[in-house]
This record gives sequence, C-alpha cells and structure tokens, in this order.
Amino acid sequence: NAGVTQTPKFRVLKTGQSMTLLCAQDMNHEYMYWYRQDPGMGLRLIHYSVGEGTTAKGEVPDGYNVSRLKKQNFLLGLESAAPSQTSVYFCASSPLKTYTDTQYFGPGTRLTVL
Amino acid sequence: DQQVKQNSPSLSVQEGRISILNCDYTNSMFDYFLWYKKYPAEGPTFLISISSIKDKNEDGRFTVFLNKSAKHLSLHIVPSQPGDSAVYFCAASASQGGSEKLVFGKGTKLTVNP
Repeated sequence: NAGVTQTPKFRVLKTGQSMTLLCAQDMNHEYMYWYRQDPGMGLRLIHYSVGEGTTAKGEVPDGYNVSRLKKQNFLLGLESAAPSQTSVYFCASSPLKTYTDTQYFGPGTRLTVL
Repeated sequence: DQQVKQNSPSLSVQEGRISILNCDYTNSMFDYFLWYKKYPAEGPTFLISISSIKDKNEDGRFTVFLNKSAKHLSLHIVPSQPGDSAVYFCAASASQGGSEKLVFGKGTKLTVNP
C-alpha cells in the first residue's frame, strides 16, 4: 500500500514550457486535491475533485488545469509555466465518507520555473 | 482574507518542556479543526483533530484545545522531543457546505532543542 505518490519529485522548467504532474493513490479514495506551498503562505488549494470525471476550482486555480479520468489518478497541468508557479506542489486524497475524514498527502513535487 | 491564522511563524522550546502552538479562525461556519505536521521534503501528515462539540481532545503527548467563543485553538505538546521539530499547520473545515475542503494556516515552525 503506497498511499499517495507523486511524479516527478523535482522538475525545472523554462518560462512558457508545459508539464503535467501526476498524482496516484491506491486507497480507493473519492476525493483528491492539489495544493501549492510557498514560503510564508501555507498550503493553498489549486483544484480538487470529488470523484472520477469531476473537478472544481480551489483558491488559486489560475494557470493550472486538472483532469480525473481515473479514480486513482489526478493530473495537474501547467500549459505555459511562469516563474510565479515556482513552488512545492502537494497532492492529497480523502475518503470523506464523513466530514471528519482527514486528507492524506503525497511527498510533494518541487517545481522551479526559470 | 485569511480565515485561519497562525500568527507565530516560529517557536523554539527546550526538550522536555511544553510546546504551545496557537491558531485563530474567523469563519463561524468552521466546525472541525485539524493539526498537520510536516517534516522537510515530506508531505504533511495528520496529527490530531477536534470537533466543535468538544473543547479538548488528547492523544498521547498531544492535546488540542478549542475555545469557540474566542475562535481560537491551541496544540499542546508535552513533553516536547527533538523529533517534534517540524512545521505545524492548523486547518479547518465546515460540515455545512464545502466540507470537502480544508483551509490551512500558514504554519508554525517548531524547533525543540536538546
């Protein structure tokens, strides 16, 4: 049981390049989330999904797109990377059968945009 | 507008003493509160939570206190150990509307000195 995994762990992009971050969970969780963590800013929700085929915007969605084609995977895309998107990205999942169910986080992807 | 506030970016305590981390919230709809712990280069992990129907929840060395009238919660760690050195995030959710989302504070970096 690997929990939540993220690919890649590190990536350096040039401004304008595109990339996709992959999140996978093997806990059969319905809910999945993408956060970014910046120094002094805590964790901010980018997009989330309440089930396969559904996505919704979080607090800071601009510049990102997501897809949840399979229940176990949640992809975060950057179509045209900008230096402001330099951050550490965390994926999380939750069963959320009750509102007290917590979120389980992946190890993070450190992205640098030059 | 920050709905969950952790006003102390850092805290340093001696091993064996008590660590007290504070968190304030502004949204009266929040009724479930969590603390997450994060080590460098790892994802956050769930530590302890409390529902608004309680004012205290204890788990080993960790106790969370909730003061609803003051919209304030605190995490007590007794006794503190060097392995507790990490960033601690306070988070909140509302069971009515938006329960699938957590709102995080900016975090407090705890350093426990041997």
